[in-house]
Amino acid sequence: KAGVTQTPRYLIKTRGQQVTLSCSPISGHRSVSWYQQTPGQGLQFLFEYFSETQRNKGNFPGRFSGRQFSNSRSEMNVSTLELGDSALYLCASSKGLAGTDTQYFGPGTRLTVL
Amino acid sequence: AQSVSQHNHHVILSEAASLELGCNYSYGGTVNLFWYVQYPGQHLQLLLKYFSGDPLVKGIKGFEAEFIKSKFSFNLRKPSVQWSDTAEYFCAPAMNRDDKIIFGKGTRLHILP
Repeated sequence: KAGVTQTPRYLIKTRGQQVTLSCSPISGHRSVSWYQQTPGQGLQFLFEYFSETQRNKGNFPGRFSGRQFSNSRSEMNVSTLELGDSALYLCASSKGLAGTDTQYFGPGTRLTVL
Repeated sequence: AQSVSQHNHHVILSEAASLELGCNYSYGGTVNLFWYVQYPGQHLQLLLKYFSGDPLVKGIKGFEAEFIKSKFSFNLRKPSVQWSDTAEYFCAPAMNRDDKIIFGKGTRLHILP
């Protein structure tokens, strides 16, 4: 079966702009989690959505937001981009909540902020 | 605050050597424990997980991990590594069971052929 897909794979933006990233989970998975991966900070949890509800949120500013649609697809949005937002953004899906089930990761979206 | 620590950031071993990667977490309640691995050019994937029961769990490719509750540890082991084990390994406890997973900073393992 198809894995987790993320679009776009690469993105270049300038400071102050906003960006929307998309994630399509594995069919039948109800949880989608988002992570930011950087060389210095590693993998940091952004938020988790389960059945269209935000279940958990990491320690990121309000510029980072997300949502999940009824078909479990999810989007995350970053407004007023800063240089430090340059990172690989990973999406992961699971049947149950991420902390109770195996997560399947997508390839990530590489965001570069100039 | 809840946290996870992976003691080794970079490990270099020769093939057939034994491996142990340390992982400690700080949380006194119940936890679910995961090890994820990222092979070069591939997505992150599950290596093994522990929820309850036998504290010694086996995963893919001959890896195992032992949960020691008294030490808040979940160390990853493999008796004899192969060149194909070159990857980055992440310990990831989910504290309070349904709370978010916290990923460790990762350990880059390089196996010399």
